[in-house]
Amino acid sequence: NAGVTQTPKFQVLKTGQSMTLQCAQDMNHNSMYWYRQDPGMGLRLIYYSASEGTTDKGEVPNGYNVSRLNKREFSLRLESAAPSQTSVYFCASSEAAGDYGYTFGSGTRLTVV
Amino acid sequence: LAKTTQPISMDSYEGQEVNITCSHNNIATNDYITWYQQFPSQGPRFIIQGYKTKVTNEVASLFIPADRKSSTLSLPRVSLSDTAVYYCLVGSYGGATNKLIFGTGTLLAVQP
Repeated sequence: NAGVTQTPKFQVLKTGQSMTLQCAQDMNHNSMYWYRQDPGMGLRLIYYSASEGTTDKGEVPNGYNVSRLNKREFSLRLESAAPSQTSVYFCASSEAAGDYGYTFGSGTRLTVV
Repeated sequence: LAKTTQPISMDSYEGQEVNITCSHNNIATNDYITWYQQFPSQGPRFIIQGYKTKVTNEVASLFIPADRKSSTLSLPRVSLSDTAVYYCLVGSYGGATNKLIFGTGTLLAVQP
């Protein structure tokens, strides 16, 4: 079982560059999430998709956009990267919104210089 | 969603039982309590979830008193590989997902 797969695992960007973080799950889950994790801050929710075709803002959405491409895939886009977006990004999925039995991916470590 | 409070860190030795307590004084009637484990450079992993009394699985036990204002994650006979950060979350099924807060968790350090 692959579970939740994130690509890339590591990325270095220059300030102002754009990139898309990819996430795919093979568990037929309805809901998907993007979190960022900074030292001493725990995990903070950026965006989530309760079901295919819907997306909503989380706690820290500024500077990001998302696309729920289909039931399996949920991408996170940084249009103009800033050093403050240096973080580890985790994608997660669950059977339904508000179901807190999440399955997380292994993360993408992003550095913006 | 109810805010949770956990110790920042705990130390233990191999073979001991470890109990990590989480306070959630404002827990709502429909809220469940969920615990996650996170190893360095990995995503969090679901450990256990409960509503009241006691829940046990192959990894841990979760004790919830009658007033549900706190919960205790119990790890029996820990090993070095249990060194990780443990998060307590409180929320209701179908609740406000955008307000789910992981917090900073409890760093458990297991020594030989």
